[in-house]
Amino acid sequence: NAGVTQTPKFQVLKTGQSMTLQCAQDMNHEYMSWYRQDPGMGLRLIHYSVGAGITDQGEVPNGYNVSRSTTEDFPLRLLSAAPSQTSVYFCATISPGKTNSPLHFGNGTRLTVT
Amino acid sequence: DQQVKQNSPSLSVQEGRISILNCDYTNSMFDYFLWYKKYPAEGPTFLISISSIKDKNEDGRFTVFLNKSAKHLSLHIVPSQPGDSAVYFCAANNPGRRALTFGSGTRLQVQP
Repeated sequence: NAGVTQTPKFQVLKTGQSMTLQCAQDMNHEYMSWYRQDPGMGLRLIHYSVGAGITDQGEVPNGYNVSRSTTEDFPLRLLSAAPSQTSVYFCATISPGKTNSPLHFGNGTRLTVT
Repeated sequence: DQQVKQNSPSLSVQEGRISILNCDYTNSMFDYFLWYKKYPAEGPTFLISISSIKDKNEDGRFTVFLNKSAKHLSLHIVPSQPGDSAVYFCAANNPGRRALTFGSGTRLQVQP
């Protein structure tokens, strides 16, 4: 039982390049989300999904796309990377059936855009 | 406009003493509050939570206090241990958005 797995752990991109951050979970959690962590800003919600085929925007969605074709996977796509997207990205899930269950986080992807 | 604020970026305490981490919020719609702990190169892990209908929740060495009238919550760790050294994030749940709003974090260092 791996929990929430994020790949890659580190990535360096040039401005304008595209890439996909992967998030996979084996806990059968319906809710999945992406946060970014920046110094002095805490964690901010980018996009989230309450189940396969359903996604919605969070606090800072611009420049990011998501899709949810399966319960297990929730990839985050950067179509044209910008230096402002340099950050640490966390995927998080919530276990179903219990009100106010806490988020389970992956170990993060550190992205640098030059 | 930060709705959840942790005004102390860092805190240093001696082993065995009490650590008090503070958090203020502005949105009266928040109905649930959580504290997360984060070690370097790892994701945040859940520590303790409190519902807005309570004023205290205790779990071992960790106690969270909520003062709704002041829109303030605090996390008490007693006794503090060197393994508690980490960044602590306060988070609040907005029931209408299915999302957590996080503070900017407080780095706690417990000196042996």
